[in-house]
Amino acid sequence: NAGVTQTPKFQVLKTGQSMTLQCAQDMNHNSMYWYRQDPGMGLRLIYYSASEGTTDKGEVPNGYNVSRLNKREFSLRLESAAPSQTSVYFCASHDRNNSPLHFGNGTRLTVT
Amino acid sequence: AQTVTQSQPEMSVQEAETVTLSCTYDTSESDYYLFWYKQPPSRQMILVIRQEAYKQQNATENRFSVNFQKAAKSFSLKISDSQLGDAAMYFCAYRRGGGGADGLTFGKGTHLIIQP
Repeated sequence: NAGVTQTPKFQVLKTGQSMTLQCAQDMNHNSMYWYRQDPGMGLRLIYYSASEGTTDKGEVPNGYNVSRLNKREFSLRLESAAPSQTSVYFCASHDRNNSPLHFGNGTRLTVT
Repeated sequence: AQTVTQSQPEMSVQEAETVTLSCTYDTSESDYYLFWYKQPPSRQMILVIRQEAYKQQNATENRFSVNFQKAAKSFSLKISDSQLGDAAMYFCAYRRGGGGADGLTFGKGTHLIIQP
């Protein structure tokens, strides 16, 4: 029972490079989310997708883009990475019946 | 916008003792849900307990219980008989009700240390 799978687990980028974080869930959930976690800041919502075909900005969307490829997959793209984007990124999903969020294991991204 | 405040950046407790982690929130909604998540050093986010705002009874899960004070907008987590495996970051989180999909709002977390 995989749940929410994120790849990669770790990544180091140079300033200005681009990359895509992948997320897939096998629980047939409608809604998916991308959060970032920084020390002393808790988790902050970057983007979310309420259902296949829709995406919306969260609290901290600047510098990111997302794609809800299908019901299972929700990717996060950094077009031109900046040191301020050094963080741990979490993908999560849930049904729209107010069930708890299910989280992936996170991606630690370092931008030098 | 909703906000969640955890006023204790760090707490320490002796093994087998009881500890209470504080959380307050601000919302104008009447229908909402509250959660406590645990994050051990493995980085995994683990649901500890949830509370529906319309329920007056406080939620419990084994050694974990909450004190939900709706009028005061307070949602504290009590851990009884603390164990070494309880050492982790604990996050309080809020979600508005009505089937919305705009995610959880998290507090900044409390680092819980268990002294053997």
